[in-house]
Amino acid sequence: DAGVIQSPRHEVTEMGQEVTLRCKPISGHDYLFWYRQTMMRGLELLIYFNNNVPIDDSGMPEDRFSAKMPNASFSTLKIQPSEPRDSAVYFCASTRGPVQPQHFGDGTRLSIL
Amino acid sequence: KQEVTQIPAALSVPEGENLVLNCSFTDSAIYNLQWFRQDPGKGLTSLLLIQSSQREQTSGRLNASLDKSSGRSTLYIAASQPGDSATYLCAVSNFGNEKLTFGTGTRLTIIP
Repeated sequence: DAGVIQSPRHEVTEMGQEVTLRCKPISGHDYLFWYRQTMMRGLELLIYFNNNVPIDDSGMPEDRFSAKMPNASFSTLKIQPSEPRDSAVYFCASTRGPVQPQHFGDGTRLSIL
Repeated sequence: KQEVTQIPAALSVPEGENLVLNCSFTDSAIYNLQWFRQDPGKGLTSLLLIQSSQREQTSGRLNASLDKSSGRSTLYIAASQPGDSATYLCAVSNFGNEKLTFGTGTRLTIIP
């Protein structure tokens, strides 16, 4: 089975630019999660979806961040405008349900200059 | 607010030794607890999931235990191998909530 697929793997851009991160969850998984990992704050949940509907976005740091899930096989996390403090590794994960393990993608390493 | 702590932050042991990684959490009303490993430049790989009604789970050389009353979990690795070198993270979810709260991890190095 294909795992969670994220793109791009690396992104380097200048401050103020729009950044779009993409995720394809595992087929049949009803939950999708976006996380951010930094040395200072560890792994933090940003937002998660159930059946394409956003359930909890309390971890989204600012209005500059937005996430969508237009269908069961695709989600995006957008940052506009980007700032240097947004530099981190962003992970997408999916699962069949709350008693099932979460499966992570390999992440997008984002650097904002 | 749930807080998850993992001590030590780093651990080095000779190959072949058995070892224990620790995880503690502040809110005992958990739904489940998961152990993950993370290799450099990679995402997290789920190792074991323990539901709140369970005391332990085993997979191969790995055994995870859960003591909700004391807010603790341990991951036991038997006969360690260099391939076990990675960062190990525990994460908990609370009742009625699919969200995971992660610890900061223990970076494990197995010395050949």
